[in-house]
Amino acid sequence: NAGVMQNPRHLVRRRGQEARLRCSPMKGHSHVYWYRQLPEEGLKFMVYLQKENIIDESGMPKERFSAEFPKEGPSILRIQQVVRGDSAAYFCASSPPTTEGNTIYFGEGSWLTVV
Amino acid sequence: DAKTTQPPSMDCAEGRAANLPCNHSTISGNEYVYWYRQIHSQGPQYIIHGLKNNETNEMASLIITEDRKSSTLILPHATLRDTAVYYCIVRVDGYTGFQKLVFGTGTRLLVSP
Repeated sequence: NAGVMQNPRHLVRRRGQEARLRCSPMKGHSHVYWYRQLPEEGLKFMVYLQKENIIDESGMPKERFSAEFPKEGPSILRIQQVVRGDSAAYFCASSPPTTEGNTIYFGEGSWLTVV
Repeated sequence: DAKTTQPPSMDCAEGRAANLPCNHSTISGNEYVYWYRQIHSQGPQYIIHGLKNNETNEMASLIITEDRKSSTLILPHATLRDTAVYYCIVRVDGYTGFQKLVFGTGTRLLVSP
């Protein structure tokens, strides 16, 4: 897990507030993925981004959730008007820009608690 | 949906080898088998991956059957710190550069003293 940096590690938000989760990929990696893990469940794919482009967002909820990976700076997963059901661990992962057996590495996660 | 089947749980005595099976009978010829594990409250950790040959690294060995329909992850000398959920994943390729990983429910390995 070394190298993929996520912050904050723990975040508490009241219902209706916004949550912003940040992810800095490993050095040299240009692909970023976000996964969500609800309590006692498995990891679910949310979105895949390359620099300045969303490639696949098939796992993203249709409303309130958005993601970006700007040319400069970390990737951001933004959750607007949070509800209790958004409480989960959000994992970011990154990989280099090729497909031949290259590995995806995960960060330690950001734990969101909505109260 | 995950393309792999794993037993929900396994036990192993500390110091013994842990052999974790995985069935992936519908794997395509260019799909890799990846193994990750997730220790409680941590992010998934990459262990090993392979295409059709057996692979070994400092963490584990991966044995893939000749027909590639199943594989086994071997932890040669399990320690208490190996207690985790182990995920066997067939890498789904999209278009250029896309390596979507689809996680199933994994095997919960408990290593006991």
